[in-house]
Amino acid sequence: NAGVTQTPKFRILKIGQSMTLQCTQDMNHNYMYWYRQDPGMGLKLIYYSVGAGITDKGEVPNGYNVSRSTTEDFPLRLELAAPSQTSVYFCASSYTIDRAPYEQYFGPGTRLTVT
Amino acid sequence: LAKTTQPISMDSYEGQEVNITCSHNNIATNDYITWYQQFPSQGPRFIIQGYKTKVTNEVASLFIPADRKSSTLSLPRVSLSDTAVYYCLVGDSSASKIIFGSGTRLSIRP
Repeated sequence: NAGVTQTPKFRILKIGQSMTLQCTQDMNHNYMYWYRQDPGMGLKLIYYSVGAGITDKGEVPNGYNVSRSTTEDFPLRLELAAPSQTSVYFCASSYTIDRAPYEQYFGPGTRLTVT
Repeated sequence: LAKTTQPISMDSYEGQEVNITCSHNNIATNDYITWYQQFPSQGPRFIIQGYKTKVTNEVASLFIPADRKSSTLSLPRVSLSDTAVYYCLVGDSSASKIIFGSGTRLSIRP
């Protein structure tokens, strides 16, 4: 199993450009998550999905959009990039079937710079 | 939401036992306590999870007192490779409650 894969690893965007960060997992996990991590800070949840076709906002959703058409893929869309979106983005997945928060498996991250 | 408080940083030496305490005064009945480890330029990695009393696995132990308002991650005989940031999370399966916080930066010296 490859686990959670993310592309690209690095990207530089100009202000106002758009892009999609790709995330794929091959563990048949029902839950998927997108986080951002600013330098020296903890992770902040952007969006999450509890299954195909179902997404919901996390702590910092403004400026982002997501979709979940399949169990495996959970792309994150940035529209009209702003310098405040410069960060490292992590995708994660987990298998959750009851009230316990099962462990999350994280991807390697995408380092995004907006200038 | 159950907010957590951890020390910003800790230092120790190789071979020592390290205990990192997390405070979570408003933990809810359904909440579990989960610890993650993060190395530079990598995503976090699950270490251990518990609900009450003590949990032990091959890398760490988690101690949770009866009132569950705090928890302690114990790393036995640390090595240089344990230098990382450690996050304490409190919540249930509701993804909307996930809060990583700023974590504890653990530095291990030879």
